[in-house]
Amino acid sequence: QKEVEQDPGPLSVPEGAIVSLNCTYSNSAFQYFMWYRQYSRKGPELLMYTYSSGNKEDGRFTAQVDKSSKYISLFIRDSQPSDSATYLCAMRGTTDSWGKLQFGAGTQVVVTP
Amino acid sequence: ETGVTQSPTHLIKTRGQQVTLRCSSQSGHNTVSWYQQALGQGPQFIFQYYREEENGRGNFPPRFSGLQFPNYSSELNVNALELDDSALYLCASSLGQGGYNEQFFGPGTRLTVL
Repeated sequence: QKEVEQDPGPLSVPEGAIVSLNCTYSNSAFQYFMWYRQYSRKGPELLMYTYSSGNKEDGRFTAQVDKSSKYISLFIRDSQPSDSATYLCAMRGTTDSWGKLQFGAGTQVVVTP
Repeated sequence: ETGVTQSPTHLIKTRGQQVTLRCSSQSGHNTVSWYQQALGQGPQFIFQYYREEENGRGNFPPRFSGLQFPNYSSELNVNALELDDSALYLCASSLGQGGYNEQFFGPGTRLTVL
């Protein structure tokens, strides 16, 4: 079993809809949680970062972490065709070297006009 | 400010050969991490270099090795290439250690092993 599970999709939504993405994990030592966006043939780009549990909002993006359930979510409001990409969750424990991120497999999102 | 750059963009090798991939970190960053991303998968951590020393390694065999130079640029070397080594190789740079430091990823080098 992988440490981080993420539904690969594809997830297709109409423009303007809310995109809901999530990951589950098994390692209770994870404390840093991140969401990356990756366009085709590009490197991942950091969208959101959360430390420990809680919610964080940044523009159209909201990240939630529920450590008791080992579950993290990313919501994208008012989705645009330019949001079409693969979204990767990533996480790290406090004792890991800070570069050692554990990624999910990524969810492909398609926003149709 | 210059972002993370990687070279070459694409590379085709045959099984058993050796390959060297290069990464220039973002200006001022002293830490470089390398990841392997197979098709349809998330990146997997290979190793990290901090101030020219390996500082953490993932579950990869010794034929994956690296270097970091005084200017903090880095190389990833893979010996005895196998078909399963075909992947996108990503380099990420960050500043400092401990706590949280954002990693900035390069565009990657796509390696195909035939």
